[in-house]
Amino acid sequence: QQQVKQSPQSLIVQKGGISIINCAYENTAFDYFPWYQQFPGKGPALLIAIRPDVSEKKEGRFTISFNKSAKQFSLHIMDSQPGDSATYFCAASIGDSWGKLQFGAGTQVVVTP
Amino acid sequence: GAVVSQHPSRVICKSGTSVKIECRSLDFQATTMFWYRQFPKQSLMLMATSNEGSKATYEQGVEKDKFLINHASLTLSTLTVTSAHPEDSSFYICSARTANTGELFFGEGSRLTVL
Repeated sequence: QQQVKQSPQSLIVQKGGISIINCAYENTAFDYFPWYQQFPGKGPALLIAIRPDVSEKKEGRFTISFNKSAKQFSLHIMDSQPGDSATYFCAASIGDSWGKLQFGAGTQVVVTP
Repeated sequence: GAVVSQHPSRVICKSGTSVKIECRSLDFQATTMFWYRQFPKQSLMLMATSNEGSKATYEQGVEKDKFLINHASLTLSTLTVTSAHPEDSSFYICSARTANTGELFFGEGSRLTVL
C-alpha cells in the first residue's frame, strides 16, 4: 500500500518550461517531506526538503509547496533544462524514524530541447 | 557532501549462490543505515533498517533469512542475498544517516542479476 501517492507518472516539458509534480499523503504523523532526483542506474540524490511548519521552500530553480490541510505537497522545477530529465520521487517520514522514508511511485520527467 | 559508497555496483551470479553487497559511509559515522530495493521503473521499497551493533529491523514481507543484514561498524553495513534466485534480481540501494546531524545520504546502488 503506497503511503505517498505521486502524480503524474510521466511528464514532458519544453526547455524553459515549468515542471510540476504532485504528492499526497494520508498519515498526519509525517513531518519530513523530501524530493529526490534519480538518474538511470544511480542512487537518488536529495533535491530539496520541507517540514510542515512552512508552506513553501525555494532552492534555486526548485520550489516545494506544502499544503498541510490538504495533505499535499508539490515540486515545481522552473526554467526546466534538458539536464533535469530524470525520475523524481517524493517521500515522507516520521520524526524519530526520519530516514525510514516512504517513497512515492516516481515521475519520469523529460525536458525537450 | 557526505559520500556513501556501495560495492559492487554490478554483480551477476548463478541461481543458488549468495551475494554480499557493502555499504560504506566514507567520511562520516552512520548510526543507522537503510536498505532499499528498486525494480525497473518502480519506486524504492524499504527493506530494512540497520543499526550499528544490533539486529536489523525488517519491513513486513521481507524475509530476514533471505536478506541478511549486518552493521558491524559505524561506517559499514552489508546486505547478503542468500541462495539468490532470478526473482531477486533488482537494484539495491543503501542510505546512511549521519550520527551527528541526522542527515541522510544515498549510495549509488548495486545492480544484482541472478541467472
